[in-house]
Amino acid sequence: SQKIEQNSEALNIQEGKTATLTCNYTNYSPAYLQWYRQDPGRGPVFLLLIRENEKEKRKERLKVTFDTTLKQSLFHITASQPADSATYLCALPYGGATNKLIFGTGTLLAVQP
Amino acid sequence: ETGVTQSPTHLIKTRGQQVTLRCSSQSGHNTVSWYQQALGQGPQFIFQYYREEENGRGNFPPRFSGLQFPNYSSELNVNALELDDSALYLCASSLGSYSGVNTGELFFGEGSRLTVL
Repeated sequence: SQKIEQNSEALNIQEGKTATLTCNYTNYSPAYLQWYRQDPGRGPVFLLLIRENEKEKRKERLKVTFDTTLKQSLFHITASQPADSATYLCALPYGGATNKLIFGTGTLLAVQP
Repeated sequence: ETGVTQSPTHLIKTRGQQVTLRCSSQSGHNTVSWYQQALGQGPQFIFQYYREEENGRGNFPPRFSGLQFPNYSSELNVNALELDDSALYLCASSLGSYSGVNTGELFFGEGSRLTVL
């Protein structure tokens, strides 16, 4: 079955630096991959979706890459701000293009002022 | 504001009891998915409802059941509660059950925090 691995340790960075979060999966290559942000006690909020035929996607200060050979996605936040501090979740579909998702455990990002 | 509302926000039950959690999907969305999120973990897929029919189920026992109503709102029922059922239960709505219909993104509610004593 598909498994997702995200950095289990918190990532601490200085304001203004670029944060890079990693998502690795172990089995079949998914039709797409999604990233969500979750604040404490809140539901996840969708950030970006990247499809299997896309290498890179950008949205404002966010950039996602998708390497199906390495079975890895990288999520970058440039010019990070304290307001970016949250848990970031990577998610893949169970199979095909369904939106029934498998989530990673998430990486906690802390941006220090 | 996602438009997905869940109730109750918090509740406490004892082992063996039953619980019903409710979700109103975002306007125009016909698909509701339920997820369980234990502390420090990512959300785990319980099941999905599409146009009032169950449309896929994760690795959860039959005591987890659900319903979707004609207005696309949904309920999650859990019978014979166990201590390990303590978690944040998240409802997510979407238009369709495949990413080809839309971007594939899910719109989550804020969750119902269940504590089982």
